Order: sequence, then structure tokens, then C-alpha cells
Amino acid sequence: NAGVMQNPRHLVRRRGQEARLRCSPMKGHSHVYWYRQLPEEGLKFMVYLQKENIIDESGMPKERFSAEFPKEGPSILRIQQVVRGDSAAYFCASALAGALYEQYFGPGTRLTVT
Amino acid sequence: TQLLEQSPQFLSIQEGENLTVYCNSSSVFSSLQWYRQEPGEGPVLLVTVVTGGEVKKLKRLTFQFGDARKDSSLHITAAQPGDTGLYLCAAYSGYSTLTFGKGTMLLVSP
Repeated sequence: NAGVMQNPRHLVRRRGQEARLRCSPMKGHSHVYWYRQLPEEGLKFMVYLQKENIIDESGMPKERFSAEFPKEGPSILRIQQVVRGDSAAYFCASALAGALYEQYFGPGTRLTVT
Repeated sequence: TQLLEQSPQFLSIQEGENLTVYCNSSSVFSSLQWYRQEPGEGPVLLVTVVTGGEVKKLKRLTFQFGDARKDSSLHITAAQPGDTGLYLCAAYSGYSTLTFGKGTMLLVSP
């Protein structure tokens, strides 16, 4: 059973470009969480999604960031008009509907904005 | 907002030594988790502690949850280079979202 998959593993964008990060949850997992890890701030929650629904986006910056988890396909975290401060490691985690307190993390996408 | 304070921030030891890292908060938690994160990878869940005073062992790792459920410790016996990594404590809040401490970076040298 494959684990959580994220791609790309590394992404370089120039300021002002868009970044799209993809997350394929573990088989059978319908809940996805996105976290961001900045060097001095640690790992912080961004958004929690269920298939076709955003459950909690309290950790998401109000502008430029959006997330979706369609009925088919991976979850996408989209960052528009990236700035240098967006450089970070972005992790997604997935969980089973009946075991939300057991999240499995992917290997992360390291975004560098030049 | 729950705040998890981890100490020390960084620990460098020789293979075979014992060590303890701590996770403290002013909040009471229904449960607390420990993760290990290796460079370039995502966090991997080590253990969940749920009962005040609980002690769980995972080979050379011993996890303890404080009686008041506000703090936890991780003790490693006879550390090995393979134990190197970032150790994170975390607690659930809100809609099953995790709040993490900043972690303890452990380096075990041969």
C-alpha cells in the first residue's frame, strides 16, 4: 500500500509565478491536511479538506493561497504570485474517515522562490 | 491557541549516550503525539499518549505523559546514529488539525 505521495518534491519559481503542489492521499483516505514548515517557525497547519469540501482553512493566508480536493484526482495547493516568503517545505497528510487522529505525512514539496 | 514548547532545541551526543527531550504546555491535552522527521522527509508518527501518567515504550524509546496531561517527555537509551532527526511533539485541536512544537534536533555521532 503506497504512502502519501507529493509532487513535485522540489519546485523553483520566480517571484510572481504560480506554484501548484499536488498530494495523493493513501488509498482509502478521504481526509487531507496541508502543513507548511518554515525554518524558524516549525510545522504549521494550513487547511483541512475532505473530498470536494474545505473543512477548516483557518491556517491559510487570506490572499494568493487556495486548496482543493476534487472527487477524482489529487489534492492541489495553489499559490498565486509567489513571493520569497513563500519559500518553505509544504507537507500534506491524509487520514481515514474513522481514524482522523492518525495522520500519515507525505515527503513534502520544497518550494524555492527566486 | 495551544502552545507546545520543546527543549532543548538542539542536542548533539555520542553513540551510546542516553538523553531526554521535553514537551511542555500550559494547556491540558486529551492526547499528545511524538513524531520523528528525518532530513528531506515528512514526519513519521512514533507514539500517541492519552492517559495522564502513561508510559509507553518503543524499543529504546520511552515516552511519558505528565500526570496533569500538560507535558510529555521522550527518553532514548543508548542512542544510535539512526536516531538522528528532528523530534516533534504535537497535539490535536479544532477539526482534528495538529499543532506542533518547534522540535528538538538530535544529532548522534558514531
